[in-house]
Amino acid sequence: DTAVSQTPKYLVTQMGNDKSIKCEQNLGHDTMYWYKQDSKKFLKIMFSYNNKELIINETVPNRFSPKSPDKAHLNLHINSLELGDSAVYFCASSPLSTGELFFGEGSRLTVL
Amino acid sequence: GENVEQHPSTLSVQEGDSAVIKCTYSDSASNYFPWYKQELGKRPQLIIDIRSNVGEKKDQRIAVTLNKTAKHFSLHITETQPEDSAVYFCAASYGKALTFGSGTRLQVQP
Repeated sequence: DTAVSQTPKYLVTQMGNDKSIKCEQNLGHDTMYWYKQDSKKFLKIMFSYNNKELIINETVPNRFSPKSPDKAHLNLHINSLELGDSAVYFCASSPLSTGELFFGEGSRLTVL
Repeated sequence: GENVEQHPSTLSVQEGDSAVIKCTYSDSASNYFPWYKQELGKRPQLIIDIRSNVGEKKDQRIAVTLNKTAKHFSLHITETQPEDSAVYFCAASYGKALTFGSGTRLQVQP
């Protein structure tokens, strides 16, 4: 059973399109995150949700909109995709008690 | 916010040698310091972590040390094996999201 699962794993699209990535965790964790990993492997926090509430929103363009319908799901919608959005997007979750991050497999987004 | 610096960016060692990766952090409120290993094309996975009330922690061939005064922490891998080859990330947090270092690509030559 996959603990943190995200779909799709690969996404190739044209500039200007809108796309979504979905994430689900079955670990019962209260907190979920989106991280972006660029071509140089930097892992940067984008958003964090605790029990469906947004608690961290880093300096991310407002073309990126997260949505958490319940504490087990955190989706990421991206409008008007740009070349610089090409990256691997990792969803993660953590329990409040430890802070350890459990990552999904990643979604590789390529914008042409 | 927190800033984590990690060195070196690449590290090549012979099988059986030791490897050391060092990180510094900026926010003295940070109290949790995990290390993640990311193999090519895979997700980052936790290999060891340390909290600010402890100076050192060991798990088989892996150890982490923390110097709160200097705001330094380090990962030590002994008796390296080819399967240790990966990108290693340090991170720091004080209850919010982890801030990651820039990663160290470790190559263990057989």
